[in-house]
Amino acid sequence: EVQLVESGGGLVQPGGSLRLSCAASGFTFSSYAMTWVRQAPGKGLQWVSVISGRTGSTDYADSVKGRFTISRDNSKNTLYLQMNSLRADDTAVYYCAKGARAEAGIRDPLSSWGQGTLVTVSS
Amino acid sequence: DIQMTQSPSSLSASVRDRVTITCQASQDIGKYLNWYQHKPGKAPELLIYDASNLETGVPSRFSGSGSGTDFTFTISSLQPEDIATYYCQQYDNPPYTFGQGTNLEIK
Repeated sequence: EVQLVESGGGLVQPGGSLRLSCAASGFTFSSYAMTWVRQAPGKGLQWVSVISGRTGSTDYADSVKGRFTISRDNSKNTLYLQMNSLRADDTAVYYCAKGARAEAGIRDPLSSWGQGTLVTVSS
Repeated sequence: DIQMTQSPSSLSASVRDRVTITCQASQDIGKYLNWYQHKPGKAPELLIYDASNLETGVPSRFSGSGSGTDFTFTISSLQPEDIATYYCQQYDNPPYTFGQGTNLEIK
């Protein structure tokens, strides 16, 4: 059974940094693209970033480009999101999600999702 | 970036009703369109991928159609457990944008 468990959320001041983690199990982690999606309070889903399985190619939403960095450690079956220069509008529940197809690259539906971790940016 | 315009933003229907949601892309995305269901406090779930393919384990009352810029999501007979917010998502070109969501309620 696929399991994705996010951690690392919390309260941070504007301008601060936070690193989210997503521990994966139940599948061959290195074969699948992984994505971060967020949902601000009362808002819809917003795609944040993606990383491919083996080559590590990445892409980002314009709103986080230059501030957030997605990475993965295939030896630890873990996905990361390093968030710097945080702003109030980064406040959201952050979900990690697994691509649907092995070796598909970043262009892939999101077939499994974690429960999310809440990031609150406030002074 | 590709904009996804989803309508309606909210919808109230009765059990056993046929429900339809539409999604329009700002440019041609072929069939690179997914539909997700999101219930409060739960992880979102993939229902339909590549515009019309039913994800494994998803009930057959859910379906999708369309290509290019215009897409439709249908629940053939609404059930109480279908109360959720539904999102379309394009994955033709990054950023892989979502529609704004449709909040579905039981009348």
